[in-house]
Amino acid sequence: GAVVSQHPSWVICKSGTSVKIECRSLDFQATTMFWYRQFPKQSLMLMATSNEGSKATYEQGVEKDKFLINHASLTLSTLTVTSAHPEDSSFYICSARASVGAFFGQGTRLTVV
Amino acid sequence: AQSVTQLDSHVSVSEGTPVLLRCNYSSSYSPSLFWYVQHPNKGLQLLLKYTSAATLVKGINGFEAEFKKSETSFHLTKPSAHMSDAAEYFCVVSDLAGNTGKLIFGQGTTLQVKP
Repeated sequence: GAVVSQHPSWVICKSGTSVKIECRSLDFQATTMFWYRQFPKQSLMLMATSNEGSKATYEQGVEKDKFLINHASLTLSTLTVTSAHPEDSSFYICSARASVGAFFGQGTRLTVV
Repeated sequence: AQSVTQLDSHVSVSEGTPVLLRCNYSSSYSPSLFWYVQHPNKGLQLLLKYTSAATLVKGINGFEAEFKKSETSFHLTKPSAHMSDAAEYFCVVSDLAGNTGKLIFGQGTTLQVKP
């Protein structure tokens, strides 16, 4: 199946700093990628839809100025958590849409201290 | 609007016994349905998908699911559980008719497999 690589797999940062998470489709081109957030023992909540070459579409309640999404190429989308706070600590997962379905990255565990 | 409901938050079975994870969906049109598995602190792996072809869908690792329109269900089954099946399972519906490809996740079911 198609491979989606997410980096880093875990990161610890200080409050007030910014963190960038990368999502790459390794063997296919993805015009659309999705970013999800997962709290402990909960389901995945869609944060935003990332479209190559255009602005991301954010779900209701997600701060677009805090969670910056860039989809500059057909194989790379990035999520930057700006001015991170402890409440932003979570598991972030990206997915890329291929012709046969959606494939997920391995996720990024973000801890803000 | 589309939604999925996983009827059990936690299922516990003994190794070698059958597995049944229940999922009901709500959709105003013919849905695309998926089951994903997530092991601790890992991403999601697609087990199987239904996209309006055969109603009985076979997936990886011996899992299968049956689409029943009359019951709006898409339950996941496996004849014999293995210890490695212990994980979190998500039933998912896709917003393909809206052409966005958004995936709407159920609440998840934790499968515990006892030796």
